[in-house]
Amino acid sequence: KAGVTQTPRYLIKTRGQQVTLSCSPISGHRSVSWYQQTPGQGLQFLFEYFSETQRNKGNFPGRFSGRQFSNSRSEMNVSTLELGDSALYLCASSLLSWGGGELFFGEGSRLTVL
Amino acid sequence: KNEVEQSPQNLTAQEGEFITINCSYSVGISALHWLQQHPGGGIVSLFMLSSGKKKHGRLIATINIQEKHSSLHITASHPRDSAVYICAVSLANTGNQFYFGTGTSLTVIP
Repeated sequence: KAGVTQTPRYLIKTRGQQVTLSCSPISGHRSVSWYQQTPGQGLQFLFEYFSETQRNKGNFPGRFSGRQFSNSRSEMNVSTLELGDSALYLCASSLLSWGGGELFFGEGSRLTVL
Repeated sequence: KNEVEQSPQNLTAQEGEFITINCSYSVGISALHWLQQHPGGGIVSLFMLSSGKKKHGRLIATINIQEKHSSLHITASHPRDSAVYICAVSLANTGNQFYFGTGTSLTVIP
């Protein structure tokens, strides 16, 4: 079956712009979570959606937002980009809703902010 | 203070050696996951543990809930095992909210 698909894979933006990233989970998975990975901070949890509801949010400013659609596809948006937002953004989907299900990661969207 | 501590940060081994990576956490969890990340970014889930021990091929993962500690062992290591190994814990009663260790970069030399 198809894996988790993230688009775009690479993008370059300038400070002040906004960006939208997309994540299509494995069919049947209703949980989609987003992560930021940087060399300095490692992997950090951004937020998690389950059945179109944001259940959890990590310690990120309000410039980071997301949503999930009825087909479980999810988008995250970062507004007013800063240089420090340059990172690999990963999403993962899971069949279970409580943390005990296997996580399936996408290849990530690598964002560079100039 | 990090909720999840991993050690060592870097590890170099000769092919065939037995390898252990450790993970300690300080929060209540519903599950602990071991992940593998190869250069280029792709992350693969190796194990999910809520208790006891699991084995898959040459990989073994254990967890001690009382001591809040988990270990990942690789027996008969091979150069293809070279990757970053990451410990992740899902917080109890929070769905799929995860804290991550900083990762262990493993290099296996032929």
